[in-house]
Amino acid sequence: GESVGLHLPTLSVQEGDNSIINCAYSNSASDYFIWYKQESGKGPQFIIDIRSNMDKRQGQRVTVLLNKTVKHLSLQIAATQPGDSAVYFCAENDPGTYKYIFGTGTRLKVLA
Amino acid sequence: KAGVTQTPRYLIKTRGQQVTLSCSPISGHRSVSWYQQTPGQGLQFLFEYFSETQRNKGNFPGRFSGRQFSNSRSEMNVSTLELGDSALYLCASSRTSGSNEQFFGPGTRLTVL
Repeated sequence: GESVGLHLPTLSVQEGDNSIINCAYSNSASDYFIWYKQESGKGPQFIIDIRSNMDKRQGQRVTVLLNKTVKHLSLQIAATQPGDSAVYFCAENDPGTYKYIFGTGTRLKVLA
Repeated sequence: KAGVTQTPRYLIKTRGQQVTLSCSPISGHRSVSWYQQTPGQGLQFLFEYFSETQRNKGNFPGRFSGRQFSNSRSEMNVSTLELGDSALYLCASSRTSGSNEQFFGPGTRLTVL
């Protein structure tokens, strides 16, 4: 099936520091992107989205940056807290098929 | 408003049996997608239903099937279960198909013995 291998990179950050999680997406035609947070034993939780006509979007403590030139997406978390510890996924929507394609997740560990 | 709900949350079956999982989308959402998540393969797309029609399908065998009802609730069925079907099955809903917010339910953890 369509899949993303789960060789999760891990990002360890000190509590209070800022975190930056990166994602390379596959389809230059993708027009919509979502970041999800998944805690152990739970379903992915919607964090923030961005459309391809934007470069940056801010939420509460989170910012998503989109660089279409290099097909790169990043999620910045300000003042990282222990509750931010989770696996983070990016997803792109293929406008040709309407399917979501998920990036390889990144595990964020917040050190006290 | 209530989020996406899935029932049951946990299920244990034996090889050869069949299973039906249920998903109720967020009120007003007409698109429901199903995913299989395993440690080795990550999130794999199963299929999407919109207005009671299967709009998209992933690369899973015919043992995996689904349907959607007029109230947008969806079920997926797996027949002749195999050990490798053990996974977290996630349902996600969105208002329409395509480029818009997609919200996940908590998942159904299926264990096949």
